[in-house]
Amino acid sequence: NAGVMQNPRHLVRRRGQEARLRCSPMKGHSHVYWYRQLPEEGLKFMVYLQKENIIDESGMPKERFSAEFPKEGPSILRIQQVVRGDSAAYFCASSPISQNYGYTFGSGTRLTVV
Amino acid sequence: DAKTTQPTSMDCAEGRAANLPCNHSTISGNEYVYWYRQIHSQGPQYIIHGLKNNETNEMASLIITEDRKSSTLILPHATLRDTAVYYCIVFYYNTDKLIFGTGTRLQVFP
Repeated sequence: NAGVMQNPRHLVRRRGQEARLRCSPMKGHSHVYWYRQLPEEGLKFMVYLQKENIIDESGMPKERFSAEFPKEGPSILRIQQVVRGDSAAYFCASSPISQNYGYTFGSGTRLTVV
Repeated sequence: DAKTTQPTSMDCAEGRAANLPCNHSTISGNEYVYWYRQIHSQGPQYIIHGLKNNETNEMASLIITEDRKSSTLILPHATLRDTAVYYCIVFYYNTDKLIFGTGTRLQVFP
């Protein structure tokens, strides 16, 4: 039973490029959450998605960031025109519909903008 | 905003019990207390959760006071691999999202 899979583990982008981060939830999980952790800081909620729906994007920056969770395939967090301040660890978590066991987190994608 | 208060850091000798406190005085009746930890830069790891009864699993025990305004996570025999940041979070699964505070940085020393 594979856990939450995130790829790539490390991503280097030049300023102005696009970054695409992928998250495959655990089997049977239909809820996906993205968090960002800046260096030496705590985890900040970004967005909560269910299949084909954004449920809560209150933590997403208003510009350049978008997320999707299509009917088929992984959830994608997309950052357009990256800047140095986007350098961070991005964690994805998933949860099932009705079990009260909290979230399972992936190992994260470390984005470095040069 | 996080609804919990935790000490910034704690030390514990290897082999001894680590008792991590958490205050959540504004917890509501349907909110659970969850504990996660983050080892170095890995993804957060679920430890345990509870509503009002004390809970125990293979990793830890959770003691919740009768008024539910505070709780303690107990690692019965801490090892060096338990060095991590521990987060106490109050959370109602069906409507909330996990909000992480600053947590307690536990350092286990030999």
